Amino acid sequence: EVQLVESGGGLMQPGGSLRLSCAASGITISRHSVSWVRQAPGKGPEWISVIYRNGNTYYTDPVKGRVTMSRDNSKNTLYFQMNSLRPEDTAMYYCAIATGGTTHDPFDFWGQGTMVAVSS
Amino acid sequence: QSGLTQPPSVSAAPGQRVNISCTGTSSNIGAGYAVHWYQHLPGTAPKLLISVNNNRPSGVPDRFSGSMSGTSASLAITGLQAEDEAIYYCQSFDISLGFSRVFGGGTKLTVL
Repeated sequence: EVQLVESGGGLMQPGGSLRLSCAASGITISRHSVSWVRQAPGKGPEWISVIYRNGNTYYTDPVKGRVTMSRDNSKNTLYFQMNSLRPEDTAMYYCAIATGGTTHDPFDFWGQGTMVAVSS
Repeated sequence: QSGLTQPPSVSAAPGQRVNISCTGTSSNIGAGYAVHWYQHLPGTAPKLLISVNNNRPSGVPDRFSGSMSGTSASLAITGLQAEDEAIYYCQSFDISLGFSRVFGGGTKLTVL
């Protein structure tokens, strides 16, 4: 059974940084593209970043320049570092895997999410 | 921001059929990109329900089906069951938003 477990969320200060983790079991993350999707309260999900099998990353405009994705293959864990936090970054953050390998493929597996609240 | 438009809520009685629409534009659904559907119970992991070409992952009953026409897509659920009460999201790909995956705002299905 595939499981993705996010951690690292909480109450953050504006201007601060966060580091989220996504620990995977039942699937090898280095063999697939893994994304972060966030969902602000009352809004639909928003795709914000992806790390591909070859290690290349892509970030969408709302987070570009503030986010770094990385992975530790030995721990089968994905990391998400975001700097210069803003109140509008408040959201539930999910990691999600698309086993198809292209941007057009669906997210086959999701974690339960970790909540990030940015407020002073 | 949500690139696709869904009705905020729909409701129907057990055993009935319900359709959930997902309206896009010529830069996403209208460009022929696949639409995927997810089922989400808050507090749990979202679940892939329907993927490209109306494929259902293993374990998803055939009561769920997807279709596309022009710039819109639709999720149909027949023989509604109480356990179907959840939030449903559509997702596609948009060439105008930096080649980005886009989601709908979600539709809350209430089984009366």
